Amino acid sequence: EADIYQTPRYLVIGTGKKITLECSQTMGHDKMYWYQQDPGMELHLIHYSYGVNSTEKGDLSSESTVSRIRTEHFPLTLESARPSHTSQYLCASSEWTRLGSYNEQFFGPGTRLTVL
Amino acid sequence: AQSVAQPEDQVNVAEGNPLTVKCTYSVSGNPYLFWYVQYPNRGLQFLLKYITGDNLVKGSYGFEAEFNKSQTSFHLKKPSALVSDSALYFCAVRDMRGAGSYQLTFGKGTKLSVIP
Repeated sequence: EADIYQTPRYLVIGTGKKITLECSQTMGHDKMYWYQQDPGMELHLIHYSYGVNSTEKGDLSSESTVSRIRTEHFPLTLESARPSHTSQYLCASSEWTRLGSYNEQFFGPGTRLTVL
Repeated sequence: AQSVAQPEDQVNVAEGNPLTVKCTYSVSGNPYLFWYVQYPNRGLQFLLKYITGDNLVKGSYGFEAEFNKSQTSFHLKKPSALVSDSALYFCAVRDMRGAGSYQLTFGKGTKLSVIP
């Protein structure tokens, strides 16, 4: 089991609330990612980071924001939640080896968000 | 652009029979290919990867995958299916866009159902 944690696992919240989804990893990986996934559907990359103070937007446009102040921590924030944000959010991390080999991404258990 | 196709939304197989989950890819350079499995309400778990070397890659839980460069395929296989293999399977390819890109492009997923 990979050492990547997400909290909360489930969140039900009202429209307009500000929320932060937490993601932490203890593997020292420099690269971290956020994906959005509707149940049983494909993953869409919404944010990624190649290291501290590095954040980029992914392929799927998202109203969320992220920060990477510490290597192990990559929180995702929604300033004003809406029903359209209802989805599962998966955090992942990976490392790059000195030989240039690409290692797999390790995934957290996910946060299932419901906005009423 | 890089892409992954999983042509079957669902695969049904009887317990004890061999299983195959299909994946084809399109990349500009050498492909890095991955298979992940997702159980209900969980994150993705890494099964196996192809970076270079032998075309037959062995992974976790008795799964293996065969890389075929001429057919641009990376099908997941298991000689004898178990009911506990029932899950959602994702094929992924490393996105080669840009220098130092470490993003994965995922397929839409294939739901595997193993019938007792």
